[in-house]
Amino acid sequence: DTEVTQTPKHLVMGMTNKKSLKCEQHMGHRAMYWYKQKAKKPPELMFVYSYEKLSINESVPSRFSPECPNSSLLNLHLHALQPEDSALYLCASSQQGQGYEKLFFGSGTQLSVL
Amino acid sequence: AQSVTQLGSHVSVSEGALVLLRCNYSSSVPPYLFWYVQYPNQGLQLLLKYTSAATLVKGINGFEAEFKKSETSFHLTKPSAHMSDAAEYFCAVSSYGNNRLAFGKGNQVVVIP
Repeated sequence: DTEVTQTPKHLVMGMTNKKSLKCEQHMGHRAMYWYKQKAKKPPELMFVYSYEKLSINESVPSRFSPECPNSSLLNLHLHALQPEDSALYLCASSQQGQGYEKLFFGSGTQLSVL
Repeated sequence: AQSVTQLGSHVSVSEGALVLLRCNYSSSVPPYLFWYVQYPNQGLQLLLKYTSAATLVKGINGFEAEFKKSETSFHLTKPSAHMSDAAEYFCAVSSYGNNRLAFGKGNQVVVIP
C-alpha cells in the first residue's frame, strides 16, 4: 500500500464552524506533512510531524491546529477560518523526514470557506 | 535560504516534440533536487530526484533531468511529448538536515495534438 488517503475530498464550511481534515498512511512512514495550495500556485508547507512530534510550524495561524494521534494518522482541526483560507489542503508522508526523501502526497481536501 | 526558479508559467508543446522545462536553484549547501508532477484534482507525484549520485537522473514516464552544478540547473526533459503529459510540473529543492521542500512556481504544460 503506497497511498496517502485524505478525507473528505471536498469541504464547505462557514466562518464559525469547526471541522477536521484527516490523513492516513500505512507505509510505516514516520514523517507527515500538511501543505496548503492555492489555485495555480505551488504547495506551501504548514506543519511537519516527525516521529509523532510537531517539528515544524511555519507560523501558521492558530485557527489551524494539527494533531498526530499515532504514526499512521494526521489531522488538521479547523476553527473560525476566513474566506482566504479556501484552498486545496494536501497531506504528505515520507520515510523518516530526511531532506533527500520522496514525499508521498494524498489527493487533497478542497476546502471552501463561506 | 534555498530556492528554485522556473521561468514561463505556461509551456505549450506539440505531441511528439521535445519537452524541456527549466529549473535553476539557489543553495549555499549541496542541494537535493526534485521534479514533481500534479495532474488535475490530484496530489503531487515524484517524477525524479537528484541526491548527489549520478548527475543524469532518469525518472518515470520517460522523463530525465541533468544536474549541472556550474550552471546551478536541473532541467527536465522528455524526448517525445504525449497527450498524457499535460499537467503542472514543479521543481523543488532541499538539503541534508532540511526537510522544508522549497517549490518553484510551476510550469503548466499543454500538449497540442
